[in-house]
Amino acid sequence: DVVMTQTPLSLPVSLGDQASISCRSSQSLVESNGNTHLHWYLQKPGQLPQLLLYKVSNRFSGVPDRFSGSGSETDFILKISRVESEDLGVYYCLQSTHLPYTFGAGTKLELK
Amino acid sequence: EVQLQQSGAELGKPGTSVKLSCKVSGYNIRNTYMHWVNQRPGKGLEWIGRIDPANGNTIYAEKFKSKATLTADTSSNTAYMQLSQLKSDDTAIYFCVLKFAYWGQGTLVTVSS
Repeated sequence: DVVMTQTPLSLPVSLGDQASISCRSSQSLVESNGNTHLHWYLQKPGQLPQLLLYKVSNRFSGVPDRFSGSGSETDFILKISRVESEDLGVYYCLQSTHLPYTFGAGTKLELK
Repeated sequence: EVQLQQSGAELGKPGTSVKLSCKVSGYNIRNTYMHWVNQRPGKGLEWIGRIDPANGNTIYAEKFKSKATLTADTSSNTAYMQLSQLKSDDTAIYFCVLKFAYWGQGTLVTVSS
């Protein structure tokens, strides 16, 4: 199975800070057709996960442009340009290139 | 608007089975895979498997091959997951997920005698 390693596991921030979360996969997530199925989710406390970015860098409907994604092959980054209070929660990466699909362990974004 | 409505919380005894449902509105489930994901208390997300409702083909994560059975009824646009031989370790919230974008609200399954 593809192992997804997220770092850090906890990220204390102040409102207005930039935040970066890393997700590394144990093998390349590039499909034979060139697509890379790496997605990012935010799960706010007591809520279900919400899709932020799909296929590395595409913002899902309604996602603010302060969220951006980058990376290739095995190394991916989620950046939040200016953290707002509504951004707090646990961030997960998911790979859906290789079966079985696998999630990272999660990164908790919290206030300092 | 795509919406996934899951069935209510279940309390199951060890060794028994439960069947969860996920009714979709705003999208024809024949057109994509339906995935199921779980989240144990205080833990992360885990992919269980997927079904292609158009033909009933399923793929499961190895650890769920003898635990979960996925089915779908395209006439009612509803997906189902049966969990068998329940153990305390199966206590979790179970989500149905469409296109990895749309999530049901989750069904809490509690296994207790």
